[in-house]
Amino acid sequence: QKEVEQNSGPLSVPEGAIASLNCTYSDRGSQSFFWYRQYSGKSPELIMSIYSNGDKEDGRFTAQLNKASQYVSLLIRDSQPSDSATYLCAPRRAYSSASKIIFGSGTRLSIRP
Amino acid sequence: DAGVIQSPRHEVTEMGQEVTLRCKPISGHDYLFWYRQTMMRGLELLIYFNNNVPIDDSGMPEDRFSAKMPNASFSTLKIQPSEPRDSAVYFCASRSSGQGSDEQYFGPGTRLTVT
Repeated sequence: QKEVEQNSGPLSVPEGAIASLNCTYSDRGSQSFFWYRQYSGKSPELIMSIYSNGDKEDGRFTAQLNKASQYVSLLIRDSQPSDSATYLCAPRRAYSSASKIIFGSGTRLSIRP
Repeated sequence: DAGVIQSPRHEVTEMGQEVTLRCKPISGHDYLFWYRQTMMRGLELLIYFNNNVPIDDSGMPEDRFSAKMPNASFSTLKIQPSEPRDSAVYFCASRSSGQGSDEQYFGPGTRLTVT
């Protein structure tokens, strides 16, 4: 079992619709969760972080966390063509004394006009 | 701030040659990470430093890879000898341990091609 599982996609969503990206992780000790966005040929950039069970909203983005189910998701409302990118889920291991995070392989999202 | 700086941006070399990748982290950041990204394996953590000290190098593929951080503003990742399977994009990232900041800032990457 991979440490972080994401559907590789591509996930095709019409412009204006809600895009739903899902991620499961195997390390029950994970406490912090991050979503990074990576445009083709560019470096990853942080778009959301979540630490507690429930929802966290930031603009058009909502991160959802369920530690019991070891599941984290990212919802993008009113999807725009500029949202087309690969989204990387990244849990952080709580027992690490430092800050090592493990990246999933990413879900490629395509917003069609 | 200029962000994380990496050089070179592109490197093409022949199998067996030594390759050195360079990174300048964001000033004031005390964590530095080296990642490798390929289509097959995704984004893999190779090694990371805290206050210039290597903390975890369990991701370094083999003895051909080595990394150093002689001071807070400079790090190198060396591959000697290089092999075609080392072809990938290598990212350097830095982070501050200061409260309220959890973001790792990535450099633009070095695209390495070993022929």
